[in-house]
Amino acid sequence: AQTVTQSQPEMSVQEAETVTLSCTYDTSESDYYLFWYKQPPSRQMILVIRQEAYKQQNATENRFSVNFQKAAKSFSLKISDSQLGDAAMYFCALNIIQGAQKLVFGQGTRLTINP
Amino acid sequence: KAGVTQTPRYLIKTRGQQVTLSCSPISGHRSVSWYQQTPGQGLQFLFEYFSETQRNKGNFPGRFSGRQFSNSRSEMNVSTLELGDSALYLCASSWNLMNTEAFFGQGTRLTVV
Repeated sequence: AQTVTQSQPEMSVQEAETVTLSCTYDTSESDYYLFWYKQPPSRQMILVIRQEAYKQQNATENRFSVNFQKAAKSFSLKISDSQLGDAAMYFCALNIIQGAQKLVFGQGTRLTINP
Repeated sequence: KAGVTQTPRYLIKTRGQQVTLSCSPISGHRSVSWYQQTPGQGLQFLFEYFSETQRNKGNFPGRFSGRQFSNSRSEMNVSTLELGDSALYLCASSWNLMNTEAFFGQGTRLTVV
């Protein structure tokens, strides 16, 4: 079975600064994907960034980057130059590569951006 | 390209009734999965369909069921509604078997009174 844990229920950051959201996971599978999703008040889950477990290089998407530590089963999200539009719930999620699509989500971190 | 479309957006039902929610995936996507989101339990996997076949089912009672049609559109049904079924129901679609990423709809907010 897979589990995902986000230990920070809430985080806040000043606009234009950098914030890191933490995520740890557990799986016995060797091939999997890790994701960060953003859920703004509109409720739609938006993919922020994806990391393939077989890739050692950390994924980067513009102001968003991850620190993927496979041995430690850690997957943190760094948001640089925070913007007001980044305010949302952020969910870390895990999906094994083969087999049925079944995302396992963490409990989420509510990110507040202070102007 | 249109995104994942869920209908209706909001629904109010009475205990004991049944409800059907609909999800139209992104064109070309053959996998549709459903999730229940509640403040207490978070996001929980309900089931997933690929090419009209249920490939996986979460730990939910038999009152929760679903199906997928030949055009990949999916429906989920909840019978004998309970107050605890009040939740945001999210549908996600993906295009391949490799589960590279899932695209979500805006959800259906179900309130059971």
